[in-house]
Formats: sequence, C-alpha cells, structure tokens
Amino acid sequence: GQSLEQPSEVTAVEGAIVQINCTYQTSGFYGLSWYQQHDGGAPTFLSYNALDGLEETGRFSSFLSRSDSYGYLLLQELQMKDSASYFCAVSARTGANNLFFGTGTRLTVIP
Amino acid sequence: DGGITQSPKYLFRKEGQNVTLSCEQNLNHDAMYWYRQDPGQGLRLIYYSQIVNDFQKGDIAEGYSVSREKKESFPLTVTSAQKNPTAFYLCASSPRPGQGYEQFFGPGTRLTVL
Repeated sequence: GQSLEQPSEVTAVEGAIVQINCTYQTSGFYGLSWYQQHDGGAPTFLSYNALDGLEETGRFSSFLSRSDSYGYLLLQELQMKDSASYFCAVSARTGANNLFFGTGTRLTVIP
Repeated sequence: DGGITQSPKYLFRKEGQNVTLSCEQNLNHDAMYWYRQDPGQGLRLIYYSQIVNDFQKGDIAEGYSVSREKKESFPLTVTSAQKNPTAFYLCASSPRPGQGYEQFFGPGTRLTVL
C-alpha cells in the first residue's frame, strides 16, 4: 500500500516563504506531484518530480529526495491568494500508476 | 475552451435512491478518474478508465458504478448500496494514464443525502 504524511495546517505571513513537507511510503515509487485546491474548488496541478532535486516554476518550487522518501513544496513571496490546501500525491509502478493523494496541508496567509 | 465539466454542482438525494453524476471532457484525454473528497481529507479514487469501454475499480469502489461508452464521457452512479454517500465528487482526466501526467479536474459535484 501507500501512505503519505504532510502537516495538516501551516500559517505564514504575506511576503514570506513557506515550506510544506511530504513524506511517503510506497513500493515502486515513480514520482511526486503537488496540487493546489482553494475552498470549494477543483485541485490544480502545480508540479511533478520524478528525479532528485529542485524544480522551479515561478514563485513555487518542488523538491524530491528519493533516498529519503521525502519532498517539499516551497512557496516564495507569499500572497493572500495562496491561501489554499496543498496536496502531495505519489504515483507508483503498480496497477495503472494512478495518483495516491495525501490528506492535504491547509495554508493560511495572514497580512 | 477545452476542459472538464461536471453537473450538477449541487445534488440532493433521498436515502435509497440512485443518482448519476455527469462528467464530460473535450480535451481528447484517454484516461478519466472519479475521486471522492470528504471534509478535511484528501482525494480517494473510486474508479478510473484508461480507454473507452474499459474501467477499473479504485480504492473505494463499493456502492458506485461507472461506464465509459464514449471517450468524452465518464458518468458515475452512486447507488443505494453506498453507506455514506454525502461528499464532494471530483472527476479528472489526463492525456494518458500513468506517472507524471497532470490530471485536470472538473469543478466537482457536492452530493448531500437527506
């Protein structure tokens, strides 16, 4: 089976940097994805890491360490609109390589 | 505009009734998925389809059924056998099944059983 752990809540100040961690356990790990979901809305894709290292996309970066079964999402220059839930999800070489989602981290950005 | 549509946005049902949730995509994606989300929880996979006329059970398929007669459509039926159907249901698609492919989500249907 698969399991993921991420903090349930994080609060940060507008303009600051925040890191959301995700640890996972799965057999046949293939990659780690991050999704953002605003309240009542649809999840939207942020990033995908299959190899170790940092991927940067604008204000958002995602990191993966396969040896540590660990990844994180880094949000810089926080804006109020970044207040949302962030989910990490693993894909594995099992079945149809579907995504298995964590329970999400609710980020609150305060002025 | 390409995308995924789900209807209705809100749905109320009496206990013991079956209900069908619609999901349509015009992205020409092969793979489609149904997820369930409960308050404060992640997304759990109900069913998925990698190709027309084929679908597979996900982690929580009991009490649900699907069909994939057309590439664009993947309706979900919540049957009376589903013990706790009140939840937010999300449909998604991806260009092909498998690792690394971004999943595109519809706006969701919030189902409430009265």
